[in-house]
Amino acid sequence: ELKVEQNPLFLSMQEGKNYTIYCNYSTTSDRLYWYRQDPGKSLESLFVLLSNGAVKQEGRLMASLDTKARLSTLHITAAVHDLSATYFCAGHSGTYKYIFGTGTRLKVLA
Amino acid sequence: ETGVTQTPRHLVMGMTNKKSLKCEQHLGHNAMYWYKQSAKKPLELMFVYNFKEQTENNSVPSRFSPECPNSSHLFLHLHTLQPEDSALYLCASSQSSHYTEAFFGQGTRLTVV
Repeated sequence: ELKVEQNPLFLSMQEGKNYTIYCNYSTTSDRLYWYRQDPGKSLESLFVLLSNGAVKQEGRLMASLDTKARLSTLHITAAVHDLSATYFCAGHSGTYKYIFGTGTRLKVLA
Repeated sequence: ETGVTQTPRHLVMGMTNKKSLKCEQHLGHNAMYWYKQSAKKPLELMFVYNFKEQTENNSVPSRFSPECPNSSHLFLHLHTLQPEDSALYLCASSQSSHYTEAFFGQGTRLTVV
């Protein structure tokens, strides 16, 4: 059974700083997803990573996937307050099962 | 309406009540999901339907009963719930081909009193 772990669980960082969120998964998952959730809101898809070595970037966020290490990272560059949210990674188990990590609650301080 | 729509957005129910949550997707997807999100646990997959057929029941107690009459609609019928069932219930849909993400509704915040 696929298990997905994220760290850190909580992250408080200053504006303008860089940081990385890590997502490890236990068994083969040939694709990896990153989502963002604002308080009281639903989950918004950020990135879909489909293959080993995949890298995707959107604004100050960049996601990568290393299937050999079973690791995905979400890198935040020069954080701004608007990035404060909870970030989830999810793997895929079988055809129809999206398995989520515990989430990383990010707070960017002015 | 676009995307995935859930109703109601908030629900307070007693332990002896029966209520239903509704989800509708306007994306032409063929797979639909129920997830539970509580403060103590990450997103828990509850049920999966593909082309109206249930393909996953993740050891969910029988007081939760899903129904999928067609690929666009998904219900979660609730009866004799416990206070620990209070959570945010999220519906999602996806296209059951290989490379697509799941799209989520806004959720129903359920409080059991």
